[in-house]
Amino acid sequence: RKEVEQDPGPFNVPEGATVAFNCTYSNSASQSFFWYRQDCRKEPKLLMSVYSSGNEDGRFTAQLNRASQYISLLIRDSKLSDSATYLCVERGSSASKIIFGSGTRLSIRP
Amino acid sequence: DAGVTQSPTHLIKTRGQQVTLRCSPKSGHDTVSWYQQALGQGPQFIFQYYEEEERQRGNFPDRFSGHQFPNYSSELNVNALLLGDSALYLCASSPVAGGPGELFFGEGSRLTVL
Repeated sequence: RKEVEQDPGPFNVPEGATVAFNCTYSNSASQSFFWYRQDCRKEPKLLMSVYSSGNEDGRFTAQLNRASQYISLLIRDSKLSDSATYLCVERGSSASKIIFGSGTRLSIRP
Repeated sequence: DAGVTQSPTHLIKTRGQQVTLRCSPKSGHDTVSWYQQALGQGPQFIFQYYEEEERQRGNFPDRFSGHQFPNYSSELNVNALLLGDSALYLCASSPVAGGPGELFFGEGSRLTVL
């Protein structure tokens, strides 16, 4: 089983829609989680950290469910510029090792 | 303030050859991690360097080796190249090993093995 699993998509939604995707992780000792965004042929960049209490940054909301070992990302009022691949990331019990999921591809259409 | 820089940006090698990729971390960062990203996949952790030592290693064979220099820059070496080594190699730096901070990535070195 992969350490971090994501639905690869692609998710194809109209502009203005709300879209959500999940990521599951296998290591119950994982300490922290992040969502990264990667544009086509570019490097990944941090979108937001994920906290147990949930956190919101503008149109983006991230949630962590430790009991079920998944994290989620919700994007409201999606924009064309949100089209990208979203990577779920966990930092395990060995904090030096940061594991990426394979990414979920999101495409926003006009 | 320069971000993470990698060189070369693109290179083509043949099977069996050896390659060296280079990375300079973001100013103020002393920890460098290397990732391999195949097409359509997420980055796969190769190893991390801190204080010129390999601190953590992913599931990669010994053909993959690295080095960190006193100025915190790093090299990734791959010997006996295979077709499957074709990928984007990403270097990421962070302020301190094991810290909670984000990873800052370079634009990557795209390796094609023929």
